[in-house]
Amino acid sequence: DTAVSQTPKYLVTQMGNDKSIKCEQNLGHDTMYWYKQDSKKFLKIMFSYNNKELIINETVPNRFSPKSPDKAHLNLHINSLELGDSAVYFCASSQIGLAGSNEQFFGPGTRLTVL
Amino acid sequence: GDSVTQMEGPVTLSEEAFLTINCTYTATGYPSLFWYVQYPGEGLQLLLKATKADDKGSNKGFEATYRKETTSFHLEKGSVQVSDSAVYFCALKSGNTPLVFGKGTRLSVIA
Repeated sequence: DTAVSQTPKYLVTQMGNDKSIKCEQNLGHDTMYWYKQDSKKFLKIMFSYNNKELIINETVPNRFSPKSPDKAHLNLHINSLELGDSAVYFCASSQIGLAGSNEQFFGPGTRLTVL
Repeated sequence: GDSVTQMEGPVTLSEEAFLTINCTYTATGYPSLFWYVQYPGEGLQLLLKATKADDKGSNKGFEATYRKETTSFHLEKGSVQVSDSAVYFCALKSGNTPLVFGKGTRLSVIA
């Protein structure tokens, strides 16, 4: 069974469109994340949700809106797509504990290409 | 804020060569340290981790030791293989904050 899954794996779309990327984790974790990886492989946190509540929202355009219907899902909706949104988007999850490393598990990524 | 600095790549090595990828960090408190690996076309996988000073993480022949005095977590492998070709990310995590990643180091191993 896949621990963290994302759909779609590839997404090609035109500028100005609205698109969504879905993420699901079956690990029972209480925290989920979205990261963006640019063409130079640099990874940056975008959002973090703990028990369906937004706890981190980095400097991300408000065209990006995460939605967490339940603890196992964190979807990313993007309005009015721009060329600069082209990147690989990774979902991740972890269990926030009182101690320990809080290891994060990553999904396989969604490669978004905006034409 | 917290940050991670790792050596820039790409790093190209012959098979069976010794590998070192340097990683240093800046953090308040006592972070946990990680190395993640990203194989071509795939997501990130945890390679190894260390949660406190002097801990050594190891996996698949890779090792890294948490050095608090030098704020470092260098990745080493004694004999690399072609299958080790990937991008390697050093990362840290303080408390309940998300991972902070270095910029990644691309390793290419040639036969």
